[in-house]
Amino acid sequence: GAGVSQTPSNKVTEKGKYVELRCDPISGHTALYWYRQSLGQGPEFLIYFQGTGAADDSGLPNDRFFAVRPEGSVSTLKIQRTERGDSAVYLCASSTGTKDTQYFGPGTRLTVL
Amino acid sequence: AQRVTQPEKLLSVFKGAPVELKCNYSYSGSPELFWYVQYSRQRLQLLLRHISRESIKGFTADLNKGETSFHLKKPFAQEEDSAMYYCALSIQGAQKLVFGQGTRLTINP
Repeated sequence: GAGVSQTPSNKVTEKGKYVELRCDPISGHTALYWYRQSLGQGPEFLIYFQGTGAADDSGLPNDRFFAVRPEGSVSTLKIQRTERGDSAVYLCASSTGTKDTQYFGPGTRLTVL
Repeated sequence: AQRVTQPEKLLSVFKGAPVELKCNYSYSGSPELFWYVQYSRQRLQLLLRHISRESIKGFTADLNKGETSFHLKKPFAQEEDSAMYYCALSIQGAQKLVFGQGTRLTINP
């Protein structure tokens, strides 16, 4: 079956702009995660959804970052007033439930000029 | 805070030689440890997790709570093992994964 998909695969924007990154989890997966991977680093946790609610948003770096999952499936990560330091690969993962294997998407490479 | 350390950014071995990728963690409770792998132009995928105690593609990893380590081993490396490897931990009561910086493994022919 289809894996986790993320769109766009690449996004180039200018400093100060607003961006939205989309994640389509595997069908039926109730848990959804966002991670950020900077160059030369491992993925870093941002936020975790169980169903429609954000169960853990402790990794969001500041209030410019926000994520939603209104119907418990697709999720959108929103970044306001982008900064050059936001440039990274944003990864989404989903799992069938808590503590189950997380399946990762291909990522969105965000470049802020 | 929980932390995962992979001391080697790069590791290069010859085909047929044994390989060991090191992973150390800091966490006072009972963690769950994972190894994820990313082959060239592919997405990050789970290689193995310590609770399943299985061998995947000839790789094994043993959790050593005394040394807080979870090293990944394979007795005879193959060229297709060349990839980026990440060690990760999950703590009790939380769903997130904490990743190490990764080790790029290159198997030379």
